[in-house]
Amino acid sequence: EDKVVQSPLSLVVHEGDTVTLNCSYEVTNFRSLLWYKQEKKAPTFLFMLTSSGIEKKSGRLSSILDKKELFSILNITATQTGDSAVYLCAVEINSDYKLTFGKGTLLTVNP
Amino acid sequence: DGGITQSPKYLFRKEGQNVTLSCEQNLNHDAMYWYRQDPGQGLRLIYYSQIVNDFQKGDIAEGYSVSREKKESFPLTVTSAQKNPTAFYLCASTRQISGANVLTFGAGSRLTVL
Repeated sequence: EDKVVQSPLSLVVHEGDTVTLNCSYEVTNFRSLLWYKQEKKAPTFLFMLTSSGIEKKSGRLSSILDKKELFSILNITATQTGDSAVYLCAVEINSDYKLTFGKGTLLTVNP
Repeated sequence: DGGITQSPKYLFRKEGQNVTLSCEQNLNHDAMYWYRQDPGQGLRLIYYSQIVNDFQKGDIAEGYSVSREKKESFPLTVTSAQKNPTAFYLCASTRQISGANVLTFGAGSRLTVL
């Protein structure tokens, strides 16, 4: 059975802190790993990772994939209250269109 | 603007009633999905469709039904057989980025069974 495990499940920090969110996976025929941010309703796409060791960056957010150890991390530096959200990790299997999601990490950034 | 429209946003139903959630996209995406989200559970796949007139069961299809008569539309019916239907339902479609499928989500429909 394909599994995606995110940790921690919740995290509370102060503005300006740096956070690291983790996503590990056990799937057959890995194709890609995706990160999403969900504030109120629709998750919005952050990053898509397919190759090990190549960091993707967007402003204060960055992510990297380790295909040997089967995990990815999402880093957020200099956190702001607007970063408060649920961060979802999903893995795509090579043989079909399905994505398997983790349970998400609820990040709360306090002023 | 292109996007995915889900309706209604909020829905209440009595036990034993069927209810249909609408999902329409004008992105010209081939594949469409329905996910269910419960607190602390992440997103779980109900049904997905890669082309018109074809769809496959996801991980939690029992008590749900779908149709895909048009490329733009993928309605989900929550039947009375679904034992715990109160949840947040997300519809999505995919676009390809560098060969990988990236989901675009609608704003969701929150169903409450009274």
